[in-house]
Amino acid sequence: SQKIEQNSEALNIQEGKTATLTCNYTNYSPAYLQWYRQDPGRGPVFLLLIRENEKEKRKERLKVTFDTTLKQSLFHITASQPADSATYLCALDVMNTGFQKLVFGTGTRLLVSP
Amino acid sequence: DVKVTQSSRYLVKRTGEKVFLECVQDMDHENMFWYRQDPGLGLRLIYFSYDVKMKEKGDIPEGYSVSREKKERFSLILESASTNQTSMYLCASSPGTGGDEQYFGPGTRLTVT
Repeated sequence: SQKIEQNSEALNIQEGKTATLTCNYTNYSPAYLQWYRQDPGRGPVFLLLIRENEKEKRKERLKVTFDTTLKQSLFHITASQPADSATYLCALDVMNTGFQKLVFGTGTRLLVSP
Repeated sequence: DVKVTQSSRYLVKRTGEKVFLECVQDMDHENMFWYRQDPGLGLRLIYFSYDVKMKEKGDIPEGYSVSREKKERFSLILESASTNQTSMYLCASSPGTGGDEQYFGPGTRLTVT
């Protein structure tokens, strides 16, 4: 069966450290993979997109890797800050009858303490 | 900035009522989506639309219908609300086909009693 998995346990780290979040999937062949941030009571906000032929993508303190052999994406936040505390969702961008369809993981909650 | 707005932040309805959730986007996006989000289940796609008057079923369409009469507006309809439809409902839009980010509204927390 098709699955997309993120660690359901919260990740607690100290300010200044690098946070690494994992997204694993099975029985999907996504053309793209996206990461979103969601704060409590709000809609998700897009952070980064990586294509299947890209190994790594960076944006400021964020870095995403995409390994289509391992079927895994890693999301890194370097020099983390308390303001980075949120839930992070990965989403597989799979085409459905020619149109975009995102399949979301359940998200990992990140807590950055001062 | 793209803006996606939803008609209500919080809504309480009774079992059996017909419920309308409205979503409006202001960036002339082709695609619009309705999701529901439940603890432990994540975001699940209910319906999406890639053009005016066009709609496609998502993964959990049962008990829902949609309407897209104008490009900027996408409505989700619960024909006869049930308690298992208590959830957070999120609307999103995107410009075109694959590889586009989705822009989400703030969500509507619906409680059916």
